[in-house]
Amino acid sequence: GQQVMQIPQYQHVQEGEDFTTYCNSSTTLSNIQWYKQRPGGHPVFLIQLVKSGEVKKQKRLTFQFGEAKKNSSLHITATQTTDVGTYFCALDPHSGAGSYQLTFGKGTKLSVIP
Amino acid sequence: NAGVTQTPKFQVLKTGQSMTLQCAQDMNHNSMYWYRQDPGMGLRLIYYSASEGTTDKGEVPNGYNVSRLNKREFSLRLESAAPSQTSVYFCASSEGWGATPPYEQYFGPGTRLTVT
Repeated sequence: GQQVMQIPQYQHVQEGEDFTTYCNSSTTLSNIQWYKQRPGGHPVFLIQLVKSGEVKKQKRLTFQFGEAKKNSSLHITATQTTDVGTYFCALDPHSGAGSYQLTFGKGTKLSVIP
Repeated sequence: NAGVTQTPKFQVLKTGQSMTLQCAQDMNHNSMYWYRQDPGMGLRLIYYSASEGTTDKGEVPNGYNVSRLNKREFSLRLESAAPSQTSVYFCASSEGWGATPPYEQYFGPGTRLTVT
């Protein structure tokens, strides 16, 4: 099955600074999903990217899927304390063959200093 | 709608004891999943059920069994708990079979299990 590397593992930012987390795969991905988990909470789906070079925005969050569909990024502009949590990317380990499974990256834990 | 519910929320077991974690969803989803989450390890799939009547192993199935009781319910059983099974367990569901992408997963609140 496909594996994904997510970096960085931790990120501490001052409130108002930008934040980016990256997911990288050695193989071509059929799609990638992003989830957010607040401290003490459960993962919550944010978005799915499917097309090569796709860019989607949700308010201050920008999601990108690489042209080669081997990497993806999540960028947060002007972080707020409400952005605190761990951000996970997730992919279908069987390359879209309809397994309905997800393999999660290890996550990037974001801390925001007020 | 309650979404995905899990019981219990917390549990402490002694080594060798058994227990069953319960999960139910009210979204009429076809697929259900059990994950464990350990610090620095992300979410790892234990077992999943692509549709009612089927179950398959995930990445870390050893020491666990599952039952897809009906379309709504998917339970996880630890037959003889070990300290290495101390973790947070999440159940999730998705539309799965026949659905239109994205196949987003909806997670329950989790069960925090400690094995001493």
